Amino acid sequence: SQQGEEDPQALSIQEGENATMNCSYKTSINNLQWYRQNSGRGLVHLILIRSNEREKHSGRLRVTLDTSKKSSSLLITASRAADTASYFCATEDGNNRLAFGKGNQVVVIP
Amino acid sequence: DAGITQSPRHKVTETGTPVTLRCHQTENHRYMYWYRQDPGHGLRLIHYSYGVKDTDKGEVSDGYSVSRSKTEDFLLTLESATSSQTSVYFCAISPRGQDNYGYTFGSGTRLTVV
Repeated sequence: SQQGEEDPQALSIQEGENATMNCSYKTSINNLQWYRQNSGRGLVHLILIRSNEREKHSGRLRVTLDTSKKSSSLLITASRAADTASYFCATEDGNNRLAFGKGNQVVVIP
Repeated sequence: DAGITQSPRHKVTETGTPVTLRCHQTENHRYMYWYRQDPGHGLRLIHYSYGVKDTDKGEVSDGYSVSRSKTEDFLLTLESATSSQTSVYFCAISPRGQDNYGYTFGSGTRLTVV
């Protein structure tokens, strides 16, 4: 079964706007990771947040984690056309397995 | 992607035939994974390996087997291919133990079973 579930599934925004995606999960985790996938390509790791962390930044990315609600959010600030991609959250369990959500398609309109 | 290659990139095979996909890494990472990606399902874990000859099942392992005889190679075999195994297959590696490790994915193998 899918561990992570992203919401919303599709997002269309203007260049320069912020994009926010949410992810929920069901079981206990070691960490939560976000990945980007451009059409027809492999996944690229964006950021990892550990279960004892609440917020993390990397460039234009901001990730939050609320373990009490079993949810995470990914914020991309000042979006660019190059940010157009699918974004996946994934949770790693105690057995070193990464479970993915179904993905969130983001389209940034120039 | 740097450090990890999958072969072949594309394959068309007939129902009932065995198929082997190869994942090769040059990073000396202990952990290797096979996922399949299908519309509406995201990525699902098939099998993974935590060392040479050490493997375990993922959530969709039926009809698949794996082998890892060397650190750098992780093979995925479809014992008797079915149309439901038409998918894009991704291999991933993980360094673990590093501060901000993420998984590195290969470019994928697009498999069509006819």
